[in-house]
Amino acid sequence: GAVVSQHPSWVICKSGTSVKIECRSLDFQATTMFWYRQFPKQSLMLMATSNEGSKATYEQGVEKDKFLINHASLTLSTLTVTSAHPEDSSFYICSARAGDRGRNQPQHFGDGTRLSIL
Amino acid sequence: AQKITQTQPGMFVQEKEAVTLDCTYDTSDPSYGLFWYKQPSSGEMIFLIYQGSYDQQNATEGRYSLNFQKARKSANLVISASQLGDSAMYFCAMSYAGNMLTFGGGTRLMVKP
Repeated sequence: GAVVSQHPSWVICKSGTSVKIECRSLDFQATTMFWYRQFPKQSLMLMATSNEGSKATYEQGVEKDKFLINHASLTLSTLTVTSAHPEDSSFYICSARAGDRGRNQPQHFGDGTRLSIL
Repeated sequence: AQKITQTQPGMFVQEKEAVTLDCTYDTSDPSYGLFWYKQPSSGEMIFLIYQGSYDQQNATEGRYSLNFQKARKSANLVISASQLGDSAMYFCAMSYAGNMLTFGGGTRLMVKP
């Protein structure tokens, strides 16, 4: 149980393209999902918290207009990197937590999306 | 503010031996959770083990155990009987504000045959 699916797993595109990444909880409902960014050989950095039916909460330094998040249902959150440029190239990974808001519930992660902007 | 520190950027261990990966944390919140995740080269994050701040006993999950020393604010991961498939990045993380996770810098574990 508690499977999170992320799609696509790898994207290569030209500079200026907008890229949409989907994150789905397959066997549970998630009112909250999280989007992380990971540079090579570095840790995961939280970008934003995606809240179902409301606006996402962005971490300091993350451009809201650059990284659009939509959480339209209890099983789907999307991250759109708008007008992507080479510096946006990174590994993006989403997570969701099953169950209630208890702290003992682990976040379950998608397999991540490798984004390469040429 | 919450902070997680992993002081070992890389470690080697001989196959079948035990290894300890260090993790220290800092928080002013009396209630928190500590997690360990494994990230193979393929990138996915695999949940390994959880320890709650109020848990009296150290958590164990198969070959994984968490050496929780609350006074020292440490939550080291112990992997017993290392296997080649254990080679990966390992991240310690702490939950805060009920939902969110902050991660340490990670430790790359390499198991030698």
